[in-house]
Amino acid sequence: LAKTTQPISMDSYEGQEVNITCSHNNIATNDYITWYQQFPSQGPRFIIQGYKTKVTNEVASLFIPADRKSSTLSLPRVSLSDTAVYYCLVGGPNQGGKLIFGQGTELSVKP
Amino acid sequence: DTAVSQTPKYLVTQMGNDKSIKCEQNLGHDTMYWYKQDSKKFLKIMFSYNNKELIINETVPNRFSPKSPDKAHLNLHINSLELGDSAVYFCASSPASRGPLSTDTQYFGPGTRLTVL
Repeated sequence: LAKTTQPISMDSYEGQEVNITCSHNNIATNDYITWYQQFPSQGPRFIIQGYKTKVTNEVASLFIPADRKSSTLSLPRVSLSDTAVYYCLVGGPNQGGKLIFGQGTELSVKP
Repeated sequence: DTAVSQTPKYLVTQMGNDKSIKCEQNLGHDTMYWYKQDSKKFLKIMFSYNNKELIINETVPNRFSPKSPDKAHLNLHINSLELGDSAVYFCASSPASRGPLSTDTQYFGPGTRLTVL
């Protein structure tokens, strides 16, 4: 199973762009890269998923280089409400439906 | 409308007791899950059911028994509670559109904080 490595914590200020990088050197050919967000006292919430290059939705962008050994979640113009833990997950059909959560990155947005 | 709901939100009990946590989803999904989040915030899958059938059973003590009366409900019963069972338990569901073992987006409930004294 592909293992992911992320920074344990990051600090930012309101209005800044935040980029959280995740390393997944052992990603398999049919694995997808997915990011979840978890606010205190809530369950994780899906943010974005991608396979290669760039994916963008109304919440974030996901950049994946050609070798797919890393990915970067980009949050544009963060606000205080973006303070949460962000999890990078890698998985595919060979993982049997399991989401393998790492330690996540605790993002703190300050005024 | 809450997509995935759990009851109770908080559960405080004594060691040795038996307790249940209920989960319901109104998303029409075929697959449901139970996760455990410990004090270090690690989330680990415990069980997964697809259309009332068990498809994932991680290394969990047999004191934990999931029950799925229908595909919208997945309850978790825990016998002989121990101190180490204290954690937050999350229920989740997914459409599993690519089959029951796919890694489709999962929708999580609000969690049940279990404290064993």
